[in-house]
Amino acid sequence: NAGVMQNPRHLVRRRGQEARLRCSPMKGHSHVYWYRQLPEEGLKFMVYLQKENIIDESGMPKERFSAEFPKEGPSILRIQQVVRGDSAAYFCASSPRTSGGINYNEQFFGPGTRLTVL
Amino acid sequence: QKEVEQNSGPLSVPEGAIASLNCTYSDRGSQSFFWYRQYSGKSPELIMFIYSNGDKEDGRFTAQLNKASQYVSLLIRDSQPSDSATYLCAPGPASSGGYQKVTFGTGTKLQVIP
Repeated sequence: NAGVMQNPRHLVRRRGQEARLRCSPMKGHSHVYWYRQLPEEGLKFMVYLQKENIIDESGMPKERFSAEFPKEGPSILRIQQVVRGDSAAYFCASSPRTSGGINYNEQFFGPGTRLTVL
Repeated sequence: QKEVEQNSGPLSVPEGAIASLNCTYSDRGSQSFFWYRQYSGKSPELIMFIYSNGDKEDGRFTAQLNKASQYVSLLIRDSQPSDSATYLCAPGPASSGGYQKVTFGTGTKLQVIP
């Protein structure tokens, strides 16, 4: 039973280029979350998606960032025209469902993608 | 959006001692909490979930939830150097159901000194 998969694990981009980060949730999971973690800082929520739907993008920067979770294939976090401040670890997590009574929805994290912008 | 606060540390304890990690929260509606552990350069992993007042024990780990005082803590008994990591708390879903964004605390860095 494979866990959450993210690729690439490391990504180097020059300023102005595009970065595409991929996330394949665990088998049977239909909920995906993206987080960003700057060096020595906490996890910051970016976006929550279900298949073909963006449920909550309140943590996404207004410009240059977008996310999708198509019916087929992995979830994609896309960063256009990257800047040095985008350098961070980007984690994806998946869960089988949202809350329901005391049946909590544990989020399982992928290994992360370390983005470095030169 | 729920707010949680944690002391960033580092919290240093000698090997074999009890490490006490605390998290306070502002939303009185919070019903449950997760504790995640994150090793340096790695992704977070769930170690405890607590949804009722009182204590929950799992091996060397004990989570304590006090809804009246709005804090949740994690105790690690017989601390080992391998426990050295950053510990993150986050409120879980409300018992009433529905989607709820998970807001992580900044985490407390624990160092267990051999």
